[in-house]
Amino acid sequence: RKEVEQDPGPFNVPEGATVAFNCTYSNSASQSFFWYRQDCRKEPKLLMSVYSSGNEDGRFTAQLNRASQYISLLIRDSKLSDSATYLCVVSSYSGAGSYQLTFGKGTKLSVIP
Amino acid sequence: NAGVTQTPKFQVLKTGQSMTLQCAQDMNHEYMSWYRQDPGMGLRLIHYSVGAGITDQGEVPNGYNVSRSTTEDFPLRLLSAAPSQTSVYFCASSRTHTSAVTDTQYFGPGTRLTVL
Repeated sequence: RKEVEQDPGPFNVPEGATVAFNCTYSNSASQSFFWYRQDCRKEPKLLMSVYSSGNEDGRFTAQLNRASQYISLLIRDSKLSDSATYLCVVSSYSGAGSYQLTFGKGTKLSVIP
Repeated sequence: NAGVTQTPKFQVLKTGQSMTLQCAQDMNHEYMSWYRQDPGMGLRLIHYSVGAGITDQGEVPNGYNVSRSTTEDFPLRLLSAAPSQTSVYFCASSRTHTSAVTDTQYFGPGTRLTVL
């Protein structure tokens, strides 16, 4: 059962490039959506939440399409420091007033000088 | 404010041994959880707790026990280690579990476990 699917990657892009990651989720009742970043051999950290209206944080833009159950992340003007694995994460109601996160497998990005 | 801490960072066990992975947070977070991360599998939820004295199973609970006697601590116990439990284990915490816009999950640095 694959609840959150991401582009397999890896993505190798030159500095300054624009790169887009895509993600689909299977649970139509999912409530909230996020992108996490995980550096090599480190813990995941929240990059940004994803809202239906789309949201931007500097060079990063996240989009959500609830009808298509599709999430995207766009990185403009890639920097070497953007090299990491990007995890698509979906929050769904799990009963008894609780929400749980489901993680995609991640897409590895390498930004090349 | 140390955030979420985990010990040990690395551990090698023999099949059948038991051990406890420690996790602590100093943010007074209500919700704590344990994940394992395997190559090509993504993070999978093992157990979680919505408050002191309350725990529940996640997606892959077999072979693991947890307890939550205090708000701060959430240890994960491997009852009888098996090679299939070789993985990276992450503990995480968040302020609550009841928000549809889930509070940010803060992860510890992870424990790399090898079972021979």
